[in-house]
Amino acid sequence: GAGVSQSPRYKVAKRGQDVALRCDPISGHVSLFWYQQALGQGPEFLTYFQNEAQLDKSGLPSDRFFAERPEGSVSTLKIQRTQQEDSAVYLCASSNPGPGLSNFGPGTRLTVT
Amino acid sequence: GENVEQHPSTLSVQEGDSAVIKCTYSDSASNYFPWYKQELGKRPQLIIDIRSNVGEKKDQRIAVTLNKTAKHFSLHITETQPEDSAVYFCAASGVTGGGNKLTFGTGTQLKVEL
Repeated sequence: GAGVSQSPRYKVAKRGQDVALRCDPISGHVSLFWYQQALGQGPEFLTYFQNEAQLDKSGLPSDRFFAERPEGSVSTLKIQRTQQEDSAVYLCASSNPGPGLSNFGPGTRLTVT
Repeated sequence: GENVEQHPSTLSVQEGDSAVIKCTYSDSASNYFPWYKQELGKRPQLIIDIRSNVGEKKDQRIAVTLNKTAKHFSLHITETQPEDSAVYFCAASGVTGGGNKLTFGTGTQLKVEL
């Protein structure tokens, strides 16, 4: 079956622009996570959804970052007024409740120039 | 919050030798410890995991050990092959309000030389 997909795969934005990154989780998965992976680093947690409810957004670095999952399936991560430090790969992952997170998407590589 | 430290940052071994990567965690409430392999430009792939009620788990050439008292866990790869070359990440999680969010280590670049 289809895995987690993300679009776009690559995004170049000029500093100050807004961007929107999309995640299509595996159908039926309740949990959805966003992670940020800077070059040479491990992924860092941004936010977590259980269905449409955003239960944890403690990892969002600033109020320029906003995520939603209005119908409990597709999720969008929006970054307003992008800064160079936002350059990273943004990974989405989905799962059903319980330990284990094996379904990462391919990521969106964001470059802010 | 949880803090995971990982060593070494780079590891070079000869083909056929064993490789060991070590991680420590800070939160005694963490109860799930996965390991991921990430090839350049690819997504992280879960290769093995262990829960806190188990001390060791093995899957063919890879094994993970967990010492809850010392709060450390290790990945062991035996009979290494060139295709094992990648970055390996350890992670830890516990059941919290944030689902089972993972805290990752900083990664180990493993190079298997012919």
